Amino acid sequence: DIQMTQSPSTLSASVGDRVIITCRASQSISSWLAWYQQKPGKAPKLLIYKASTLESGVPSRFSGSGSGTEFTLTISSLQPDDFATYYCQHYHSYPWTFGQGTKVEIK
Amino acid sequence: QVQLVESGGGLVKPGGSLRLSCAASGFTFSDYQMNWIRQAPGKGLEWLSYISSSGNNMFYVDSVKGRFTISRDNAKNSLYLQMDSLRAEDTAVYYCARPRSIYYDDAFDMWGQGTKVTVSS
Repeated sequence: DIQMTQSPSTLSASVGDRVIITCRASQSISSWLAWYQQKPGKAPKLLIYKASTLESGVPSRFSGSGSGTEFTLTISSLQPDDFATYYCQHYHSYPWTFGQGTKVEIK
Repeated sequence: QVQLVESGGGLVKPGGSLRLSCAASGFTFSDYQMNWIRQAPGKGLEWLSYISSSGNNMFYVDSVKGRFTISRDNAKNSLYLQMDSLRAEDTAVYYCARPRSIYYDDAFDMWGQGTKVTVSS
């Protein structure tokens, strides 16, 4: 099975900060990677698919990059609505797996 | 509108069974493969199972293989998860999710609101 490792697990940041979250795959997944945002008590929301393609309706301050085993999610200027937990997920081969999550907290 | 609505969660004793349902509306359900994903309290997301659009192919994560069965009824626009031999570690919110594409494996752009399952004596 492909393991997904996110870092950091928790991130403290202020409004306006540039935030970078990293996701590493235990083997190459090409660009078959998605990023989700989840708020407490809610279902995850798709932000990025195919590593770098922004889902329709998602603000352009979110961006994704990477391929193979190393990926990043960048929030260019953190907004109050962005404080949440973020997950990466591969869909290269079954079983699909998620990273353990990165909680973005208010500094 | 376009939505997925899960139901069937509840409290069940260890070793018991439960059947979850996911009702789809607003899109052509029979075109899409479907998935179940769960989230234990305070924990991350765990993909559980996939079923093809026709219902002929299924995959499971090892932790539920042999205990959980995914199925669908395209005439009823419904997805199911039969959960047997339940354990305390199956306690979680269970989500059904739909991928973006009908043609290939893809990220999940539609999720239900989740249904809570608690396994406890």
